[in-house]
Amino acid sequence: AQTVTQSQPEMSVQEAETVTLSCTYDTSESDYYLFWYKQPPSRQMILVIRQEAYKQQNATENRFSVNFQKAAKSFSLKISDSQLGDAAMYFCAYSLQGAQKLVFGQGTRLTINP
Amino acid sequence: DSGVTQTPKHLITATGQRVTLRCSPRSGDLSVYWYQQSLDQGLQFLIQYYNGEERAKGNILERFSAQQFPDLHSELNLSSLELGDSALYFCASSPIPTGLTEAFFGQGTRLTVV
Repeated sequence: AQTVTQSQPEMSVQEAETVTLSCTYDTSESDYYLFWYKQPPSRQMILVIRQEAYKQQNATENRFSVNFQKAAKSFSLKISDSQLGDAAMYFCAYSLQGAQKLVFGQGTRLTINP
Repeated sequence: DSGVTQTPKHLITATGQRVTLRCSPRSGDLSVYWYQQSLDQGLQFLIQYYNGEERAKGNILERFSAQQFPDLHSELNLSSLELGDSALYFCASSPIPTGLTEAFFGQGTRLTVV
């Protein structure tokens, strides 16, 4: 079974600094998707960024970028120029291509210090 | 706003009771997913419907059931409620039956069983 592990239950960073959240996953498949979701206090699950496993280029969305290491099964999220609005729970998730479900990690609570 | 609407936002009920959670997907989305977020289990996939038919099943208890209606809204029915069913229940929708590259989440229904 596929599993997703986020080893950092909590992280904090100073406003305007850069922070990296870690995620590892376990799968024997070669075609899959990886995601980072943000859950602010409003509880809404917001898609931050996604990566297709067949793409070697790391995905980037404005201040958010990933470091996808397929051989190491690692998928970290880097947030540059952290803003107070980035404070939230961040979930790493995996989906097998053609599958119907997301498998989530346990989440990392990110605090932004002003 | 993701376009996915869940009602009610909060629900408090007693053990042994039955409740119905409702989800209206984004306009045009045929696929609806239900997830449970609890403190001890994290985010877990429950069930998926596509255009009115059950498509995939996850860790859904026999006391729970769901359906998707012709207008594509979905309902999750939880019966014989136990304290451990207290959780945040999310609905997500996507336009296609497989591959969650475009899944959008609602704001969730917070269920408290007392």
